[in-house]
Amino acid sequence: SQQGEEDPQALSIQEGENATMNCSYKTSINNLQWYRQNSGRGLVHLILIRSNEREKHSGRLRVTLDTSKKSSSLLITASRAADTASYFCATPGGSYIPTFGRGTSLIVHP
Amino acid sequence: EAGVAQSPRYKIIEKRQSVAFWCNPISGHATLYWYQQILGQGPKLLIQFQNNGVVDDSQLPKDRFSAERLKGVDSTLKIQPAKLEDSAVYLCASSLEYRGPGTDTQYFGPGTRLTVL
Repeated sequence: SQQGEEDPQALSIQEGENATMNCSYKTSINNLQWYRQNSGRGLVHLILIRSNEREKHSGRLRVTLDTSKKSSSLLITASRAADTASYFCATPGGSYIPTFGRGTSLIVHP
Repeated sequence: EAGVAQSPRYKIIEKRQSVAFWCNPISGHATLYWYQQILGQGPKLLIQFQNNGVVDDSQLPKDRFSAERLKGVDSTLKIQPAKLEDSAVYLCASSLEYRGPGTDTQYFGPGTRLTVL
C-alpha cells in the first residue's frame, strides 16, 4: 500500500524560481527521506529528517516535517536547470518497509 | 569511492524467458536492497538483505522471482518465467548498516531496464 504521496505530480518553473513539493503519509513515522532521480544518475539521497525535527537544511534544500499533519515539504531555492528531475519522499511503511511515493516531476526551464 | 554497480544496464527478452540481474554494492555495506520501478511510479522494495540473510521479502513474487546474496557481498535477482508486467527498471541499493527499519540512507545503482515482449 502507498505510504507517502507527493504533490504536485508535475511542476514546471523558470530558473531562479523556488520549487516546493509536498509529501503526505498515512501512518506514524520515525523519519522521512527525500530522494532525487534523473535519467543520468539514478536515485540520489538528498536529506533525512527525523520525527523529532521540524526543519532541516542542506545547501539550497529546505525540508520541513509536520507530524501532526503527517506531511513534509521540500523547498528548492534559486532553482537551476540541473535540478530538473523527479523527487520522491520515502517513509517506513507497513512492516517498516522503505516505501516511496510516485514522485514529483520537476522541470526547470533555463 | 565506487558506487553501486549493476549489470546489465538494459535487457530485452520475450515473455516466459528467464533473466538475471547482478548487483555489487558499495564496499563494506552490509545491507542490500532490490527495488522494482515501473514507469511513472516510485520504486517498490522487492527484497532486503542484511549481510547474506533476508530481512524482508514480503513483496517479492516468489512464484517467479528469486534473489540471493551468498557471500554477503554481490547479489543476483532472477525472474523465471518473465511476464509482460515485469517490464520495469530494477534498482539495487546498499546501505552501510542496518540501524533499524526505514532509517538507513540508501545508495542506488543505475538500474537495469528490462523490457519483456
